[in-house]
Amino acid sequence: AQSVTQPDIHITVSEGASLELRCNYSYGATPYLFWYVQSPGQGLQLLLKYFSGDTLVQGIKGFEAEFKRSQSSFNLRKPSVHWSDAAEYFCAVGYQAGTALIFGKGTTLSVSS
Amino acid sequence: GAGVSQSPRYKVAKRGQDVALRCDPISGHVSLFWYQQALGQGPEFLTYFQNEAQLDKSGLPSDRFFAERPEGSVSTLKIQRTQQEDSAVYLCASSSPGPSQTSGYQETQYFGPGTRLLVL
Repeated sequence: AQSVTQPDIHITVSEGASLELRCNYSYGATPYLFWYVQSPGQGLQLLLKYFSGDTLVQGIKGFEAEFKRSQSSFNLRKPSVHWSDAAEYFCAVGYQAGTALIFGKGTTLSVSS
Repeated sequence: GAGVSQSPRYKVAKRGQDVALRCDPISGHVSLFWYQQALGQGPEFLTYFQNEAQLDKSGLPSDRFFAERPEGSVSTLKIQRTQQEDSAVYLCASSSPGPSQTSGYQETQYFGPGTRLLVL
């Protein structure tokens, strides 16, 4: 079955430090890949997406992600974390038009001062 | 422009009560999805509309859940005889077909703020 794994349930990073959130997916072909962020009491905001082409994609708020086909991964990175980045981060995959996204369980990011 | 809106934002229901949750998608978006997000979990698919047609309802957990989108715009998710296990955040997302929908282009889904349902 298709699935998305986010191995880290909770990560704490110091403000100004770099960040990497892991995401692995299970599927036979190349899926469409997304990262969303959810702040408390809010809906999901799209950070970035990968459909095809350059495997390093840039998103909003200084985030980037790299698609590695050989590892079935799509890890999210940010070089310098800000306190406002504290939130829940979800990796998701989609396969074709009109199908639902499959989400991971999410990673909670805390930022310490 | 306006994003996806949902109402109410919070709903407290007594067990056995019927509830109706509303979703206003982004204007012109053809596709509309409902997801259920339990506490501490990622969203899980419930149902999908393309215009007014409900093309996939495989994620609805029971026949107590019903969704409609009669005019291809606003959608309502109805839960009859609510149970405590229905407590969750219900998220609505809309999307517009990409330039090559026929080839299976996965359009981006834009989410609303959700309705947090608590069943007592």
